[in-house]
Amino acid sequence: DTGVSQDPRHKITKRGQNVTFRCDPISEHNRLYWYRQTLGQGPEFLTYFQNEAQLEKSRLLSDRFSAERPKGSFSTLEIQRTEQGDSAMYLCASSFQGTGNTIYFGEGSWLTVV
Amino acid sequence: TQLLEQSPQFLSIQEGENLTVYCNSSSVFSSLQWYRQEPGEGPVLLVTVVTGGEVKKLKRLTFQFGDARKDSSLHITAAQPGDTGLYLCAGDRNNFNKFYFGSGTKLNVKP
Repeated sequence: DTGVSQDPRHKITKRGQNVTFRCDPISEHNRLYWYRQTLGQGPEFLTYFQNEAQLEKSRLLSDRFSAERPKGSFSTLEIQRTEQGDSAMYLCASSFQGTGNTIYFGEGSWLTVV
Repeated sequence: TQLLEQSPQFLSIQEGENLTVYCNSSSVFSSLQWYRQEPGEGPVLLVTVVTGGEVKKLKRLTFQFGDARKDSSLHITAAQPGDTGLYLCAGDRNNFNKFYFGSGTKLNVKP
Protein backbone atom coordinates (compact mmCIF):
# COMPACT_ATOMS: atom_id res chain seq x y z
CA ASP A 1 0.00 0.00 0.00
CA THR A 2 1.60 3.30 -1.09
CA GLY A 3 -0.99 5.69 0.30
CA VAL A 4 -0.75 7.99 3.31
CA SER A 5 -0.54 5.98 6.51
CA GLN A 6 -1.27 7.11 10.03
CA ASP A 7 -0.54 5.54 13.38
CA PRO A 8 -2.18 4.82 15.71
CA ARG A 9 -5.65 4.63 14.21
CA HIS A 10 -7.27 4.95 17.61
CA LYS A 11 -6.02 6.36 20.89
CA ILE A 12 -7.84 6.67 24.20
CA THR A 13 -6.02 8.74 26.78
CA LYS A 14 -6.68 10.32 30.13
CA ARG A 15 -6.96 14.07 30.39
CA GLY A 16 -3.56 15.62 31.05
CA GLN A 17 -1.56 12.94 29.27
CA ASN A 18 0.55 13.57 26.17
CA VAL A 19 -0.14 11.82 22.88
CA THR A 20 1.78 11.60 19.62
CA PHE A 21 0.51 10.70 16.16
CA ARG A 22 2.67 9.71 13.24
CA CYS A 23 2.04 10.23 9.53
CA ASP A 24 3.91 8.66 6.64
CA PRO A 25 3.05 10.49 3.42
CA ILE A 26 3.14 9.15 -0.11
CA SER A 27 6.87 8.77 -0.74
CA GLU A 28 7.43 11.35 -3.47
CA HIS A 29 5.19 14.00 -1.91
CA ASN A 30 6.95 17.06 -0.55
CA ARG A 31 3.94 18.67 1.13
CA LEU A 32 2.32 17.29 4.25
CA TYR A 33 -0.77 18.60 6.03
CA TRP A 34 -2.48 18.04 9.35
CA TYR A 35 -6.22 18.58 9.73
CA ARG A 36 -8.60 18.03 12.62
CA GLN A 37 -12.17 16.85 12.20
CA THR A 38 -14.91 16.65 14.79
CA LEU A 39 -18.20 14.81 14.38
CA GLY A 40 -20.51 16.45 11.89
CA GLN A 41 -17.93 18.92 10.64
CA GLY A 42 -15.53 19.13 7.73
CA PRO A 43 -11.77 18.92 8.33
CA GLU A 44 -10.13 22.06 9.76
CA PHE A 45 -6.63 22.99 8.69
CA LEU A 46 -3.99 22.82 11.44
CA THR A 47 -0.59 23.11 9.75
CA TYR A 48 1.43 22.15 6.72
CA PHE A 49 5.01 21.43 5.77
CA GLN A 50 6.93 21.77 2.57
CA ASN A 51 9.78 19.33 2.93
CA GLU A 52 10.97 19.86 6.53
CA ALA A 53 9.84 23.47 6.79
CA GLN A 54 6.61 24.22 8.65
CA LEU A 55 5.13 26.95 6.47
CA GLU A 56 1.88 27.75 8.19
CA LYS A 57 0.11 27.09 11.47
CA SER A 58 -3.54 27.70 12.17
CA ARG A 59 -4.55 29.61 15.28
CA LEU A 60 -6.37 26.39 16.18
CA LEU A 61 -2.94 24.97 16.95
CA SER A 62 -2.47 26.08 20.54
CA ASP A 63 0.89 25.94 22.30
CA ARG A 64 0.01 22.45 23.53
CA PHE A 65 0.25 21.22 19.95
CA SER A 66 3.51 20.74 18.10
CA ALA A 67 4.18 19.21 14.71
CA GLU A 68 7.49 18.20 13.22
CA ARG A 69 8.78 16.79 9.99
CA PRO A 70 12.47 16.43 10.78
CA LYS A 71 13.76 14.89 7.58
CA GLY A 72 11.08 15.97 5.20
CA SER A 73 9.52 12.53 5.16
CA PHE A 74 7.28 11.34 8.04
CA SER A 75 5.68 13.79 10.45
CA THR A 76 4.56 13.70 14.07
CA LEU A 77 1.83 15.65 15.78
CA GLU A 78 2.14 15.84 19.56
CA ILE A 79 -0.54 17.08 21.91
CA GLN A 80 0.61 17.86 25.43
CA ARG A 81 -1.64 17.96 28.50
CA THR A 82 -4.64 16.70 26.55
CA GLU A 83 -8.08 18.15 27.23
CA GLN A 84 -11.48 16.65 26.48
CA GLY A 85 -11.94 19.23 23.74
CA ASP A 86 -9.02 17.67 21.89
CA SER A 87 -11.11 14.59 21.15
CA ALA A 88 -11.35 14.44 17.37
CA MET A 89 -10.03 12.70 14.30
CA TYR A 90 -6.60 13.93 13.28
CA LEU A 91 -6.09 13.62 9.55
CA CYS A 92 -2.84 13.73 7.66
CA ALA A 93 -2.63 14.44 3.94
CA SER A 94 0.13 14.84 1.41
CA SER A 95 0.68 16.31 -2.03
CA PHE A 96 3.41 17.03 -4.52
CA GLN A 97 3.69 20.69 -5.33
CA GLY A 98 3.47 21.27 -9.03
CA THR A 99 1.46 18.25 -10.09
CA GLY A 100 -1.92 19.84 -9.79
CA ASN A 101 -4.10 20.71 -6.89
CA THR A 102 -4.63 17.32 -5.34
CA ILE A 103 -4.05 16.20 -1.77
CA TYR A 104 -4.49 12.67 -0.55
CA PHE A 105 -5.65 11.80 2.93
CA GLY A 106 -4.73 9.03 5.30
CA GLU A 107 -7.36 7.12 7.23
CA GLY A 108 -7.01 9.34 10.27
CA SER A 109 -6.16 8.90 13.92
CA TRP A 110 -9.07 8.99 16.33
CA LEU A 111 -8.33 10.57 19.70
CA THR A 112 -10.64 10.17 22.68
CA VAL A 113 -9.71 12.04 25.84
CA VAL A 114 -11.49 10.74 28.94
CA THR B 1 -18.09 31.64 9.36
CA GLN B 2 -17.01 28.91 6.99
CA LEU B 3 -15.38 29.87 3.74
CA LEU B 4 -17.35 27.19 1.93
CA GLU B 5 -21.02 26.57 2.65
CA GLN B 6 -22.53 23.26 1.67
CA SER B 7 -26.20 22.52 1.26
CA PRO B 8 -28.17 20.64 2.18
CA GLN B 9 -26.54 19.47 5.41
CA PHE B 10 -28.51 16.24 5.44
CA LEU B 11 -30.25 14.36 2.67
CA SER B 12 -32.18 11.12 2.96
CA ILE B 13 -33.55 9.70 -0.26
CA GLN B 14 -34.79 6.44 -1.79
CA GLU B 15 -32.66 4.33 -4.08
CA GLY B 16 -33.07 5.44 -7.68
CA GLU B 17 -33.70 9.12 -6.96
CA ASN B 18 -31.52 11.94 -8.24
CA LEU B 19 -29.94 14.58 -6.03
CA THR B 20 -27.77 17.66 -6.17
CA VAL B 21 -25.39 18.94 -3.50
CA TYR B 22 -24.15 22.52 -3.56
CA CYS B 23 -20.93 24.16 -2.43
CA ASN B 24 -20.93 27.96 -2.35
CA SER B 25 -18.54 30.73 -1.41
CA SER B 26 -18.01 34.44 -1.89
CA SER B 27 -14.33 33.71 -2.55
CA VAL B 28 -12.69 32.66 -5.78
CA PHE B 29 -10.84 29.34 -5.78
CA SER B 30 -8.03 28.24 -8.05
CA SER B 31 -9.35 24.70 -7.74
CA LEU B 32 -12.03 22.80 -5.94
CA GLN B 33 -12.21 19.19 -4.88
CA TRP B 34 -15.00 16.83 -3.89
CA TYR B 35 -14.45 14.03 -1.40
CA ARG B 36 -16.57 11.23 0.00
CA GLN B 37 -15.98 10.11 3.55
CA GLU B 38 -17.31 7.09 5.41
CA PRO B 39 -17.55 6.96 9.21
CA GLY B 40 -14.17 6.45 10.88
CA GLU B 41 -12.25 6.81 7.62
CA GLY B 42 -10.35 9.60 5.90
CA PRO B 43 -11.86 11.51 2.96
CA VAL B 44 -11.42 9.87 -0.43
CA LEU B 45 -10.92 12.15 -3.41
CA LEU B 46 -13.63 11.98 -6.09
CA VAL B 47 -12.66 14.81 -8.44
CA THR B 48 -10.69 18.03 -8.86
CA VAL B 49 -12.01 20.88 -10.98
CA VAL B 50 -9.82 23.79 -11.96
CA THR B 51 -11.43 25.69 -14.86
CA GLY B 52 -14.47 27.94 -14.49
CA GLY B 53 -17.49 26.25 -16.09
CA GLU B 54 -15.78 22.87 -16.11
CA VAL B 55 -18.00 19.77 -15.98
CA LYS B 56 -16.61 16.37 -15.04
CA LYS B 57 -18.43 13.06 -14.98
CA LEU B 58 -17.58 10.04 -12.91
CA LYS B 59 -20.10 7.27 -13.74
CA ARG B 60 -23.38 8.49 -12.16
CA LEU B 61 -21.73 11.56 -10.58
CA THR B 62 -21.53 14.90 -12.40
CA PHE B 63 -19.43 17.73 -11.00
CA GLN B 64 -19.59 21.32 -12.14
CA PHE B 65 -17.37 24.27 -11.27
CA GLY B 66 -19.08 27.66 -11.48
CA ASP B 67 -18.02 30.10 -14.20
CA ALA B 68 -16.66 32.50 -11.59
CA ARG B 69 -14.93 29.66 -9.69
CA LYS B 70 -16.83 30.51 -6.50
CA ASP B 71 -19.18 27.57 -6.38
CA SER B 72 -19.63 23.98 -7.40
CA SER B 73 -22.28 21.30 -7.54
CA LEU B 74 -22.36 17.53 -7.38
CA HIS B 75 -25.25 15.74 -9.05
CA ILE B 76 -25.89 12.05 -8.51
CA THR B 77 -28.18 10.20 -10.89
CA ALA B 78 -30.11 7.13 -9.75
CA ALA B 79 -28.58 7.06 -6.27
CA GLN B 80 -27.67 3.71 -4.77
CA PRO B 81 -27.19 2.68 -1.11
CA GLY B 82 -23.46 2.50 -1.80
CA ASP B 83 -23.48 6.27 -2.36
CA THR B 84 -24.28 6.80 1.32
CA GLY B 85 -21.64 8.91 3.04
CA LEU B 86 -20.44 12.39 3.87
CA TYR B 87 -19.70 14.50 0.79
CA LEU B 88 -17.17 17.27 1.32
CA CYS B 89 -16.08 20.06 -0.96
CA ALA B 90 -12.69 21.71 -0.46
CA GLY B 91 -11.22 24.75 -2.17
CA ASP B 92 -7.68 25.99 -2.75
CA ARG B 93 -7.60 29.78 -3.00
CA ASN B 94 -4.12 30.58 -4.22
CA ASN B 95 -2.66 27.42 -5.65
CA PHE B 96 -0.95 26.89 -2.33
CA ASN B 97 -2.55 23.48 -1.87
CA LYS B 98 -4.01 24.68 1.42
CA PHE B 99 -7.58 23.50 1.27
CA TYR B 100 -10.57 24.92 3.07
CA PHE B 101 -13.38 22.44 3.64
CA GLY B 102 -17.11 22.84 3.79
CA SER B 103 -18.96 21.18 6.66
CA GLY B 104 -20.25 18.46 4.39
CA THR B 105 -23.52 16.95 3.20
CA LYS B 106 -24.51 13.73 4.88
CA LEU B 107 -26.27 11.54 2.33
CA ASN B 108 -28.31 8.48 3.20
CA VAL B 109 -29.70 6.40 0.36
CA LYS B 110 -32.35 3.94 1.51
CA PRO B 111 -32.83 0.68 -0.37
